[in-house]
Amino acid sequence: DAMVIQNPRYQVTQFGKPVTLSCSQTLNHNVMYWYQQKSSQAPKLLFHYYDKDFNNEADTPDNFQSRRPNTSFCFLDIRSPGLGDAAMYLCATSWDRGGEQYFGPGTRLTVT
Amino acid sequence: AQTVTQSQPEMSVQEAETVTLSCTYDTSENNYYLFWYKQPPSRQMILVIRQEAYKQQNATENRFSVNFQKAAKSFSLKISDSQLGDTAMYFCAFLANAGGTSYGKLTFGQGTILTVHP
Repeated sequence: DAMVIQNPRYQVTQFGKPVTLSCSQTLNHNVMYWYQQKSSQAPKLLFHYYDKDFNNEADTPDNFQSRRPNTSFCFLDIRSPGLGDAAMYLCATSWDRGGEQYFGPGTRLTVT
Repeated sequence: AQTVTQSQPEMSVQEAETVTLSCTYDTSENNYYLFWYKQPPSRQMILVIRQEAYKQQNATENRFSVNFQKAAKSFSLKISDSQLGDTAMYFCAFLANAGGTSYGKLTFGQGTILTVHP
């Protein structure tokens, strides 16, 4: 089945230690999104790629970076995680910007 | 900018009964989609149903249907014959599908936690 895959599902990192989260998709969608979701809240968009075109949200901290080396993969890098960065990170894809988004299962990040 | 409001933080329903979740939105866009997403506890967010703004007919997917009132900017979700597996957080979401700064950005409501009781 075509899907959005996120690895790892659970990640524990130390305060200030860089961490990378991975997302891959077999849907061949053009757009990939990264969201941050804190407990019982709606997802918050961090940035998205339309093909190779990177689009950062104005309020996304500089601590968060992203890479999309090819159509299938997209990475979220957190350069110096703080305690406030502990959250669920959701990857989503869509065929086009105006299309429905399909979500991966998420990576739950814990910062100790 | 768009806003989406879900005024019911929590709802509960007995198994096999019908429940309606409310959603209102505000936008100046003419071309957009509305969605309901379901997120079970510690599980993946999945798309339940979608509605194109230009369509007058309400969308239906099996036990799930919407009541889309474009003039009133209202988009409620009706779940018929509720099942235990329907227990989840439900998010209403808006997506502009034309150009502009909001293009491609899902705007979510605050979510409604639905509990289905046996």
